Amino acid sequence: GAVVSQHPSWVICKSGTSVKIECRSLDFQATTMFWYRQFPKQSLMLMATSNEGSKATYEQGVEKDKFLINHASLTLSTLTVTSAHPEDSSFYICSAQMAGYNSPLHFGNGTRLTVT
Amino acid sequence: AQKITQTQPGMFVQEKEAVTLDCTYDTSDPSYGLFWYKQPSSGEMIFLIYQGSYDQQNATEGRYSLNFQKARKSANLVISASQLGDSAMYFCAMRGLNTGTASKLTFGTGTRLQVTL
Repeated sequence: GAVVSQHPSWVICKSGTSVKIECRSLDFQATTMFWYRQFPKQSLMLMATSNEGSKATYEQGVEKDKFLINHASLTLSTLTVTSAHPEDSSFYICSAQMAGYNSPLHFGNGTRLTVT
Repeated sequence: AQKITQTQPGMFVQEKEAVTLDCTYDTSDPSYGLFWYKQPSSGEMIFLIYQGSYDQQNATEGRYSLNFQKARKSANLVISASQLGDSAMYFCAMRGLNTGTASKLTFGTGTRLQVTL
C-alpha cells in the first residue's frame, strides 16, 4: 500500500526557533500534499495544500509567513514553523494522494510539536 | 461548501458485537467521495473505507461496511465483530470530485470508540 513518511515524529523546541517537518511519499509520486493541524481531542484542520513546483495554497486564517511550505519534488513536501511560540504546539500531520479520483489520502504518522 | 457531522462524541461496544458510527454530510457537489479513517492513540490516520456518491452498492472492506443512504445524506460506518484493537477515534470525511474541490478532504469531529470485554 501507499506509504507516507513524516519526520520527525516529535520535536521539542524553544520559543523563537524554527522547526522543519518533512513529509515523503515513499512508493508513489504526489503532485499534491496536504498539511493538517490537530489540537487535542479535536478534528483535523486543513492548513494548506502543497503543490509540487508552485506556491502552496493556504486556508483562511493560516499565516503563510508563519508556516512555510515547500514542495520541492514529487515525493517531498516540508512544513517549517518559523519563530515558533507555545501556541504553535500541536499535532501536525501531512497527507498525499495517489492518482485517481477515488484514491484516499494517505497520511504520515504525524509530528507532535511542543514549544517551550 | 462541505460539511460533515458526527453526532456521537463517544461510543462503547462490547467485544465481538457490531457497532454503527454515524456520519451525515452536506455538499453542493454533484459527485463526491466519502471516507472513513481510524486514528489510534498513537496518532496516525488509517484509511478504512471509501464510498463514491455514484456507487450502486455499499462499500465493504473486511469487517468494515459503509451504510450509504444518499437521499438522507448519511454514510454510517458499521464495524462487525468488534475487537479490542478497534478502540480508537474514527473520522468521517468527504471531498468533492469536481475540479477545484477535488482532493481536499473535509473531516467530521470524530467519534471515540471504546471496545470493552
